Amino acid sequence: DQQVKQNSPSLSVQEGRISILNCDYTNSMFDYFLWYKKYPAEGPTFLISISSIKDKNEDGRFTVFLNKSAKHLSLHIVPSQPGDSAVYFCAASFPFSGNTGKLIFGQGTTLQVKP
Amino acid sequence: KAGVTQTPRYLIKTRGQQVTLSCSPISGHRSVSWYQQTPGQGLQFLFEYFSETQRNKGNFPGRFSGRQFSNSRSEMNVSTLELGDSALYLCASSLAGLSNEQYFGPGTRLTVT
Repeated sequence: DQQVKQNSPSLSVQEGRISILNCDYTNSMFDYFLWYKKYPAEGPTFLISISSIKDKNEDGRFTVFLNKSAKHLSLHIVPSQPGDSAVYFCAASFPFSGNTGKLIFGQGTTLQVKP
Repeated sequence: KAGVTQTPRYLIKTRGQQVTLSCSPISGHRSVSWYQQTPGQGLQFLFEYFSETQRNKGNFPGRFSGRQFSNSRSEMNVSTLELGDSALYLCASSLAGLSNEQYFGPGTRLTVT
């Protein structure tokens, strides 16, 4: 039962353009969403997060949008840089009580930014 | 501030053996979570420890266990290793209660032959 889904295994964009990574979820109880970036042979690096009470959060070149009615979130990277090439994971968590420390991850999307 | 560290980084074991992996969280972080990453299943939650107590557990067999020490360092143990236990084991720390954001270590690559 895949509660968090990233339906695009890969994405290729040109340097300087926008990268849009998508994530869908099935469980309406999720209250917090996160994006991580992962390089080979390294652990995931936290990028940006959003609470379910918001619909947008920005941090520099990264913006996350949340559409609760569609159970969909997206990560926008503008402008994309070659160093952004990595695997991006979407993750979700339940309210803390009873589900501490547990993130549920999507399968990941490999982003390639071409110079 | 130093990040999450995990030792060893690579490990090769034989079926039937047991293994212990170690994780040191970011200073001040009291929650440590463990995950298994495999090509087929992705990142799967194993368990979470806070103040030396296991607070949450994923759907893994009892061969997978862990513990946390008073300095928040954590270990996980896998007994009677199976070929399917070959994976990247990731540890993540967080402030526990102040943020859902977890910070990951580089992982331990376990290969079972």
